[in-house]
Amino acid sequence: KAGVTQTPRYLIKTRGQQVTLSCSPISGHRSVSWYQQTPGQGLQFLFEYFSETQRNKGNFPGRFSGRQFSNSRSEMNVSTLELGDSALYLCASSDPGLLTGRYFGPGTRLTVL
Amino acid sequence: SQQGEEDPQALSIQEGENATMNCSYKTSINNLQWYRQNSGRGLVHLILIRSNEREKHSGRLRVTLDTSKKSSSLLITASRAADTASYFCATEEYGNKLVFGAGTILRVKS
Repeated sequence: KAGVTQTPRYLIKTRGQQVTLSCSPISGHRSVSWYQQTPGQGLQFLFEYFSETQRNKGNFPGRFSGRQFSNSRSEMNVSTLELGDSALYLCASSDPGLLTGRYFGPGTRLTVL
Repeated sequence: SQQGEEDPQALSIQEGENATMNCSYKTSINNLQWYRQNSGRGLVHLILIRSNEREKHSGRLRVTLDTSKKSSSLLITASRAADTASYFCATEEYGNKLVFGAGTILRVKS
C-alpha cells in the first residue's frame, strides 16, 4: 500500500496570510490526525478526524481548523498566520479497529515570515 | 502539553554498543508507543506495548513498561550508524490522541 502523503512539502507564507495543508491517508484508514512539531514545544496534537467527524481537538486557537472528506483525505487550515506557526506539520493515519501505531506522512514544513 | 520526560536528552555511542532510552509519563495509559524520526522527517512507528504488558521485543528493539512507576525504556542492541535519529515515546489517550515526550537524540558513531 502507498504510504501517507502530504502536500505541499514546503511552504513559505507571510504573517496574516492563510494556508491549507493536505493529507492523503493509507488506503482503508479512516482516522487521520494532525500534529505540530516545533523546537520549543515539541510534538503537539492538533486534531483527529474519523469518518468526516472531528473526534478530538488539541489546545490550539480557533485559527487552526481541519476537515475530512468522504475519501478520508484531510485538510488543515491555518488562518491569520503568525510567526509562531512556523513548524513541521505532520499527518498520521490509522485504522482504529487495529491496535497499531500511527503511520505518519513526511510532513509539511511551513515557514512564516 | 507533553506527557512526560525522556532521558537522556542526547546519547552518543559507538557502533555495536547498546543504547537505552527512558520515558516517564503522568497519567494512566492504554498503551505506549515508540517512534523514530530522522532529520525532521516523518515519524516511523517502532513498537507498541499495551498497559498490561511488561516487555516486548521486535528485532534489535526491546521495550519495557512499568505502569507502577509510569515509565518505559527502549533498548536498541548492537546499534548501527543507521540508528542515528531522534526517538520519541508517546502515550495514547482518549480520542486517538498521542501525547509525545520531548525525545532522545541518538548518535551512533561508526
